[in-house]
Amino acid sequence: AQKVTQAQTEISVVEKEDVTLDCVYETRDTTYYLFWYKQPPSGELVFLIRRNSFDEQNEISGRYSWNFQKSTSSFNFTITASQVVDSAVYFCALSEARVVGAGNMLTFGGGTRLMVKP
Amino acid sequence: EAQVTQNPRYLITVTGKKLTVTCSQNMNHEYMSWYRQDPGLGLRQIYYSMNVEVTDKGDVPEGYKVSRKEKRNFPLILESPSPNQTSLYFCASGGLSGDEQYFGPGTRLTVT
Repeated sequence: AQKVTQAQTEISVVEKEDVTLDCVYETRDTTYYLFWYKQPPSGELVFLIRRNSFDEQNEISGRYSWNFQKSTSSFNFTITASQVVDSAVYFCALSEARVVGAGNMLTFGGGTRLMVKP
Repeated sequence: EAQVTQNPRYLITVTGKKLTVTCSQNMNHEYMSWYRQDPGLGLRQIYYSMNVEVTDKGDVPEGYKVSRKEKRNFPLILESPSPNQTSLYFCASGGLSGDEQYFGPGTRLTVT
C-alpha cells in the first residue's frame, strides 16, 4: 500500500531563513506521481508542483525548489529566503498511476506546519 | 473560471440529522472525489467517482454515501452524522491518472 510520511509536524523559522520540508514515500508501483500542496490559514489547498516517477530532475520556481530522489524515496521541498506569507501547512501527496479501480486517489502525508516569524 | 465549488462552507448540526454537502465542477472532469482532513492525518479519501453512475469507496467510507447522476455534481451524504465525522471536507476533481487534482474551498462540519 502506498504511504507518505512527513516527519516534521511543525517548523518555525525567522524570515529570510531557508527551510526544507521533508517527504518520504512508499509505493510498489514503478509509475507514480508526487505532489506538493500548500494550505494557507484561509484553508484552501493550493497546488504547487507535480512530478512523475520518471523525471528525477530537480525543479526551481522562484524561491521554491524540489529535490526528487528515487534512491531514497524522497521528494523534499525547500523554500529559500522564507517570508511571512509562506506560513502555511504543506502537504506532500502520492498518486499511483496504475492502481486498479482507485483512479486518481491521492495519499497525503500528515502535513508540516511552517511558521515564518518576522 | 475553472473551479470546484462546495456548499455549505460551514455547517453545525446535531447527531443523526441527515445532511448533504454539494460539490460541483465546471471543468468537465470525469474524476471526482471527497476527502476529509483531520489534524495530523492529512487528507484521506472517502469516496471517488470515475464517471457518471460509477462510484467506489476510498480509505474511509464508513458513514458516508455519494451519488454521481451528472458529470459536474458529486454530493456527499451523511445519513446519520456522528461527532466523529466532525472534520474539514474537500471535494476534488481531475482528469486522467496522475493529473493535478483541483480542490474545492472546503466545508467545515461540526456534529454535536
